[in-house]
Amino acid sequence: GQQLNQSPQSMFIQEGEDVSMNCTSSSIFNTWLWYKQEPGEGPVLLIALYKAGELTSNGRLTAQFGITRKDSFLNISASIPSDVGIYFCAGRSNQGGKLIFGQGTELSVKP
Amino acid sequence: DTEVTQTPKHLVMGMTNKKSLKCEQHMGHRAMYWYKQKAKKPPELMFVYSYEKLSINESVPSRFSPECPNSSLLNLHLHALQPEDSALYLCASSQDTPLTGGPTYEQYFGPGTRLTVT
Repeated sequence: GQQLNQSPQSMFIQEGEDVSMNCTSSSIFNTWLWYKQEPGEGPVLLIALYKAGELTSNGRLTAQFGITRKDSFLNISASIPSDVGIYFCAGRSNQGGKLIFGQGTELSVKP
Repeated sequence: DTEVTQTPKHLVMGMTNKKSLKCEQHMGHRAMYWYKQKAKKPPELMFVYSYEKLSINESVPSRFSPECPNSSLLNLHLHALQPEDSALYLCASSQDTPLTGGPTYEQYFGPGTRLTVT
């Protein structure tokens, strides 16, 4: 089945640092989504991408839909303690329309 | 209102118990989903309802029984569960599903029910 490789698995950074994480797939996706999940909560949709090459921002977050349609990255600028959580990428192709999730990137921010 | 609510927030049940998880949304979404999530792992799809009909069952054991009484409500009935079924159970909804050709498929998740089977 389709799989997404998300990296890194975890990150320990200092407050104020920039963060970058990415997802790659062996198959093409038509939609890329980025979710954030905090402890005890459900995933919250951060950014949705629909076109190859698309670059979208949401505050300090920026995500891009790769040109090959097989990858996406998420950048967080000037991290703050409330950025702590697990970030999941998710992709969707036309085949069945199910969301395929990456394994997550756990972000820890030291004040 | 962009909220998906789930009750209860926590549930502890024995292996012989019968319990139900409830999910509700008032966004007019016509697709609703149940996911199972283990700690620090991605959500795993269990069931999809589209226009109140079960459209996807990801080969889930029959001890999990979904029900969609109306377009705003989704239940998950639990019976004779095993300790390995302990997990966070997430409900999600979306305006439509790709199978029905809707323009917006993004799923909005509820806070989940933390289930412990003893």
